[in-house]
Amino acid sequence: DTAVSQTPKYLVTQMGNDKSIKCEQNLGHDTMYWYKQDSKKFLKIMFSYNNKELIINETVPNRFSPKSPDKAHLNLHINSLELGDSAVYFCASSQDINEQFFGPGTRLTVL
Amino acid sequence: AQSVTQLDSHVSVSEGTPVLLRCNYSSSYSPSLFWYVQHPNKGLQLLLKYTSAATLVKGINGFEAEFKKSETSFHLTKPSAHMSDAAEYFCVVSTYSGTYKYIFGTGTRLKVLA
Repeated sequence: DTAVSQTPKYLVTQMGNDKSIKCEQNLGHDTMYWYKQDSKKFLKIMFSYNNKELIINETVPNRFSPKSPDKAHLNLHINSLELGDSAVYFCASSQDINEQFFGPGTRLTVL
Repeated sequence: AQSVTQLDSHVSVSEGTPVLLRCNYSSSYSPSLFWYVQHPNKGLQLLLKYTSAATLVKGINGFEAEFKKSETSFHLTKPSAHMSDAAEYFCVVSTYSGTYKYIFGTGTRLKVLA
């Protein structure tokens, strides 16, 4: 009974390609997030959606486009991948209790 | 602006000895504070949280943290380290502006020596 799931777990691709990462939560939460964890383990929020509406956009390059088809899903599409996009991307969800539940992460490697 | 500072990037302890991971926060109002743990190649798991109730917060796996407003600290402790505690630990402060947003500390890598 995975609460927050992400696919794929690993993604290896070439520079310039376009790729997507999917996230689904079965907790009934209204808010979902994407975080990026860099090679030094630093975690930073990228986006937040509440009931399919964009709430937070932390000046992420517009090559990154989140899409929320419904409140249980928040997918991350990345165009024209660059070397610096290599990182672990975490999805999370929360309800208004101020606690976030994280997915297992997707390790993206851009060659 | 809200922020957290984890004072040690690496901490090493012997198995069976106490663990202390330090975190200081900056907040213009009463904060919500969390500790998360990340085991190698795994996701983040909530250890404990402080949301303006009891200042001594007990979490999972024997961890606890004390909110000290006068010292703006939220240090994580455990009386006796176990090998399975070896992981990366993150202190987090939560802000609210339409939705809850986490600000992460830079993490502390805990190493447990046999």
